[in-house]
Amino acid sequence: DSGVTQTPKHLITATGQRVTLRCSPRSGDLSVYWYQQSLDQGLQFLIQYYNGEERAKGNILERFSAQQFPDLHSELNLSSLELGDSALYFCASSATGVLNTGELFFGEGSRLTVL
Amino acid sequence: QKEVEQDPGPLSVPEGAIVSLNCTYSNSAFQYFMWYRQYSRKGPELLMYTYSSGNKEDGRFTAQVDKSSKYISLFIRDSQPSDSATYLCAMSLDNYGQNFVFGPGTRLSVLP
Repeated sequence: DSGVTQTPKHLITATGQRVTLRCSPRSGDLSVYWYQQSLDQGLQFLIQYYNGEERAKGNILERFSAQQFPDLHSELNLSSLELGDSALYFCASSATGVLNTGELFFGEGSRLTVL
Repeated sequence: QKEVEQDPGPLSVPEGAIVSLNCTYSNSAFQYFMWYRQYSRKGPELLMYTYSSGNKEDGRFTAQVDKSSKYISLFIRDSQPSDSATYLCAMSLDNYGQNFVFGPGTRLSVLP
């Protein structure tokens, strides 16, 4: 158990809809990362938050947005969904400062299917 | 050319075999090299972490980095059915997660 919790585990929705994925990082971790994993693209970095602030952006579409709340949980919002958005979405967290070993701790993922 | 390339497999080996998993990369500035293991329907978990060139051993696992060839390897000795998973290589300029570049993963099956 990595200590990172993601909900929901599975989600099926239709094109054009909007969904929200939720992540709770490990206790004490201030950094949260979102990744998308698909068969043809592998694990792609989307966005990072650190203590409530956006820290880095990767290959995140404009239809996607995220935020990190004061209790450090994070949400990834996916809107105007397309078939190609079907993928596994992972959240990861890491320690910061002198505790940062570079290790990312991943949740079990949210599997999104867009029909 | 992708920044990190990895043979997707699947790779099937008998129990007890020595497994070699490999990645090549194009960015010579990468300094940190990692192997993550991902079981089916689970998130990736860190298996090995090396800095710069050389070998690192941990039990049945050995990670090798050859920066001159831009090539990294993970060797698994005495492979077990419990090693069946997808192995993702990852590398970075630094140890900050937002800069990690992951390979697509190699699916390994160890047959009893």
